Amino acid sequence: AQRVTQPEKLLSVFKGAPVELKCNYSYSGSPELFWYVQYSRQRLQLLLRHISRESIKGFTADLNKGETSFHLKKPFAQEEDSAMYYCAPRRSYNNNDMRFGAGTRLTVKP
Amino acid sequence: DAGVIQSPRHEVTEMGQEVTLRCKPISGHNSLFWYRQTMMRGLELLIYFNNNVPIDDSGMPEDRFSAKMPNASFSTLKIQPSEPRDSAVYFCASRRGSQGDNEQFFGPGTRLTVL
Repeated sequence: AQRVTQPEKLLSVFKGAPVELKCNYSYSGSPELFWYVQYSRQRLQLLLRHISRESIKGFTADLNKGETSFHLKKPFAQEEDSAMYYCAPRRSYNNNDMRFGAGTRLTVKP
Repeated sequence: DAGVIQSPRHEVTEMGQEVTLRCKPISGHNSLFWYRQTMMRGLELLIYFNNNVPIDDSGMPEDRFSAKMPNASFSTLKIQPSEPRDSAVYFCASRRGSQGDNEQFFGPGTRLTVL
């Protein structure tokens, strides 16, 4: 069965500390992977996608096909990074079916 | 562009009542998604449409839930009869095209409370 797992519901770090939000997936084929973020009182929005290999707001995510993981990382967390983060695999480039993980609430303390 | 529009933003109703949630996707987007967000289960895909046609409704919890998209600019999600366990935030999202890596754009959500 296709599944995405974000093992941590809550994650708390201090400002300036590194942060890693874990995401593991179980999908056949070659899924596309995304991270979405929801800041307080804002809409859910795309943070980054794995095919772009980009760094957004200091965050990066590497697709590890061997471990089937797509962990989101940032070397120095900021208070404004506090938000709900969702990992979202999509079955393939040609498929519209995108599922979200349960989400991780990140709190960055001053 | 106002983005994806959802109404109402908040709905409080009593168990057994019918609830209708509304969504207006971004103009030009031809894929529309309904999600439900709860603390326990996170963000769940309920159903999605391509070009107004329902493609996958396997996430719809039960027959009490139904969704329609009569035209490209409007969709509804109906719960009849509603139950307290339906209390959640319901999001609508739209996307341009059904292929490729186009981003999904989310509405502000409807917070539903069933007493």
